[in-house]
Amino acid sequence: AQTVTQSQPEMSVQEAETVTLSCTYDTSESNYYLFWYKQPPSRQMILVIRQEAYKQQNATENRFSVNFQKAAKSFSLKISDSQLGDTAMYFCACTSGTYKYIFGTGTRLKVLA
Amino acid sequence: SAVISQKPSRDICQRGTSLTIQCQVDSQVTMMFWYRQQPGQSLTLIATANQGSEATYESGFVIDKFPISRPNLTFSTLTVSNMSPEDSSIYLCSVVEQGGGYEQYFGPGTRLTVT
Repeated sequence: AQTVTQSQPEMSVQEAETVTLSCTYDTSESNYYLFWYKQPPSRQMILVIRQEAYKQQNATENRFSVNFQKAAKSFSLKISDSQLGDTAMYFCACTSGTYKYIFGTGTRLKVLA
Repeated sequence: SAVISQKPSRDICQRGTSLTIQCQVDSQVTMMFWYRQQPGQSLTLIATANQGSEATYESGFVIDKFPISRPNLTFSTLTVSNMSPEDSSIYLCSVVEQGGGYEQYFGPGTRLTVT
């Protein structure tokens, strides 16, 4: 069975600073995909970034990047130049060939002005 | 990415009644999912709804309580039946696009309060 663990229930960061959100996972599958989703107070789930397990290169999307450590089963999200609009719940998720997601418990990020 | 709408966006219902939530997508999609998100919690998958077949329910969720329809490749409904206050949650649908990868795209959610 797959599991996803987010050990930081809440974090805060000053505007323009950098913050890293942690995620660890466990899966017996050889091919899987990892995602970070953002859920602002509007409750819309927004895909932030995705990583295919077979790719060694870390994914990057503008100010968002991941540190994917396959052997350690770690998938952290780095947000650079934090903006007030980054305030949200962030969920880490894992899926394999079934398309079903396993979500972590979430990290509530607050960006401070 | 697919644009997904849900109706209603929120509702307040009396216990013992039922509510049907609609999920509409602007393109044909292979798979649709229904999730429940209880206050302050993560997302829990209720069922997978594929067109032309019965929905597949996750452990702890049953068809009599959460009947699902998927009449075509762009639409699905989830009914929450015989509601109790414990059903107060946000209900979200999500889709996997045809020819896409494994990423899911989510609707805006329906906030249900049962009194």
